[in-house]
Amino acid sequence: DAKTTQPPSMDCAEGRAANLPCNHSTISGNEYVYWYRQIHSQGPQYIIHGLKNNETNEMASLIITEDRKSSTLILPHATLRDTAVYYCIVSGNGGSTLGRLYFGRGTQLTVWP
Amino acid sequence: DGGITQSPKYLFRKEGQNVTLSCEQNLNHDAMYWYRQDPGQGLRLIYYSQIVNDFQKGDIAEGYSVSREKKESFPLTVTSAQKNPTAFYLCASSRRDPSHEQFFGPGTRLTVL
Repeated sequence: DAKTTQPPSMDCAEGRAANLPCNHSTISGNEYVYWYRQIHSQGPQYIIHGLKNNETNEMASLIITEDRKSSTLILPHATLRDTAVYYCIVSGNGGSTLGRLYFGRGTQLTVWP
Repeated sequence: DGGITQSPKYLFRKEGQNVTLSCEQNLNHDAMYWYRQDPGQGLRLIYYSQIVNDFQKGDIAEGYSVSREKKESFPLTVTSAQKNPTAFYLCASSRRDPSHEQFFGPGTRLTVL
């Protein structure tokens, strides 16, 4: 079962920031939050991940709340090529779950001109 | 170039036939994974392997089999026991560490006629 909850769809104007929310209220202390995106009929593409602190890379920023029960992925200047399904994922933290990613249905982000 | 290759991109088989999907990586990753994706759904884990000659069932292993004889290869066999094999199959690999992302291949779309 997915450990995260995301809105099924969102849209955003090109050039504006896209803020994608995710709830993961049952996350445990050493489980990571990952974000991937998938363009239709392609393999998912890694975006960013974090444990406790906010993270930023060349693609996006990840804001994790202090209680770690939710997070927000921010695409600072959305382009048409950012239209995709975005998955918020909690990763397994050890033992038999080490490295496992628990995918939900994700959020379909549509960027319009 | 480093990466994950899956072949073929499209595969057609008759009902009742076993079929093997190829997955190769040259990223020197210890861990490899197989996922299945149905239309409008997220990815579901079939099998994963953390190290050569070892693998574990995921959430939907029935009707599938794998082997991990080499670090770079993790083939998936879809057997005739799989009741609904038509789907998009994705292979991924990663380092054996929950803080490291999975890299996905381009996928194989299997259609059973």
